[in-house]
Amino acid sequence: NAGVTQTPKFQVLKTGQSMTLQCAQDMNHNSMYWYRQDPGMGLRLIYYSASEGTTDKGEVPNGYNVSRLNKREFSLRLESAAPSQTSVYFCATKYKNTGELFFGEGSRLTVL
Amino acid sequence: AQKITQTQPGMFVQEKEAVTLDCTYDTSDPSYGLFWYKQPSSGEMIFLIYQGSYDQQNATEGRYSLNFQKARKSANLVISASQLGDSAMYFCASRDTGGFKTIFGAGTRLFVKA
Repeated sequence: NAGVTQTPKFQVLKTGQSMTLQCAQDMNHNSMYWYRQDPGMGLRLIYYSASEGTTDKGEVPNGYNVSRLNKREFSLRLESAAPSQTSVYFCATKYKNTGELFFGEGSRLTVL
Repeated sequence: AQKITQTQPGMFVQEKEAVTLDCTYDTSDPSYGLFWYKQPSSGEMIFLIYQGSYDQQNATEGRYSLNFQKARKSANLVISASQLGDSAMYFCASRDTGGFKTIFGAGTRLFVKA
């Protein structure tokens, strides 16, 4: 079982470039999440999708867009990357009974 | 709005001793869940323990226990018999009533000394 798979694992962008982080899960969970992790700030919620066809803003949505393509896939897009978006990005799914999150391995993004 | 506060940026503990990592939460939701996750230096996020707001007993999972004090809005993680492999970042998190949002604290870095 792959669980939650994120691609790419590493990416370097120049300011103003766009890119999409992909996330796929095989856990059959309804809810999926994108977080960013910065030193000293823990994980901050960017966007989430409670179920296929729905998306909602989290704590820090500015500069990002998301697409819940189907139940398995939830992508995060940076339309015009900025240095402030340099971070480690985690995709996660939620086990509905307890709310436990299952995370991907993370994607390290550097914006120059 | 939910808020999680972890006031200890770093903690040291001697191997085989117990350690308590502090977490306070702020929520107006009547029903919520509290979690602890571990992040080793390799970077993955590992679920450790869960406590529901209506659970009467404190949660335990092996060497991990959650000291849940509802009136004080605290959900401290206790690790007994610390091991070198416990050296990691530890995050406290809470889930809101709707169950869709999970919010994390800033984390505590634990160093276990041999």
